[in-house]
Amino acid sequence: DTGVSQDPRHKITKRGQNVTFRCDPISEHNRLYWYRQTLGQGPEFLTYFQNEAQLEKSRLLSDRFSAERPKGSFSTLEIQRTEQGDSAMYLCASSGEAGNTIYFGEGSWLTVV
Amino acid sequence: DQQVKQNSPSLSVQEGRISILNCDYTNSMFDYFLWYKKYPAEGPTFLISISSIKDKNEDGRFTVFLNKSAKHLSLHIVPSQPGDSAVYFCAAIQWANNLFFGTGTRLTVIP
Repeated sequence: DTGVSQDPRHKITKRGQNVTFRCDPISEHNRLYWYRQTLGQGPEFLTYFQNEAQLEKSRLLSDRFSAERPKGSFSTLEIQRTEQGDSAMYLCASSGEAGNTIYFGEGSWLTVV
Repeated sequence: DQQVKQNSPSLSVQEGRISILNCDYTNSMFDYFLWYKKYPAEGPTFLISISSIKDKNEDGRFTVFLNKSAKHLSLHIVPSQPGDSAVYFCAAIQWANNLFFGTGTRLTVIP
């Protein structure tokens, strides 16, 4: 499978705990994106990397959220001190240099109880 | 501020007929538009795209039309099939940066 892969697919955590999601983009893609989707809404942009550089961050990405892409390949999204409002599907996507077609992974469901 | 809007939350169509999903946008600087299909608990699947310099792009049963003067695009699915039942998202890009999504239209194709 050469698509975007995300792990874990589902995570249930208690409020206040930290969680980390991993994303492996399509291998030749140098752009990587994180989005969040809640029920009834379209995906909302969180942050974007070109290679290892984090080029843009949404105001949705509070101080409790941090994303890294240390070697320009896989990326991690960490949420510290989770809150119930963090419950959502976290989507990773990648694209090539042109950036015109963005491919999504299957998503990671987070439920904060 | 919702820059991409899908004003119809749902659409039902008989199998074999045409499905038309609509999308409006406000930012005239968008230079690329995409349609995604999404099933519950899965990530969006890319369907078809169109550059702002074109007014039509076709791929099999899917055709996207772009009317820049009206800031409107539409996705036509002909003929519609039950397997097309899903939520369809319109999205737009400016300068190869991040995607702006609409809120989606749930398409139900009735056998």
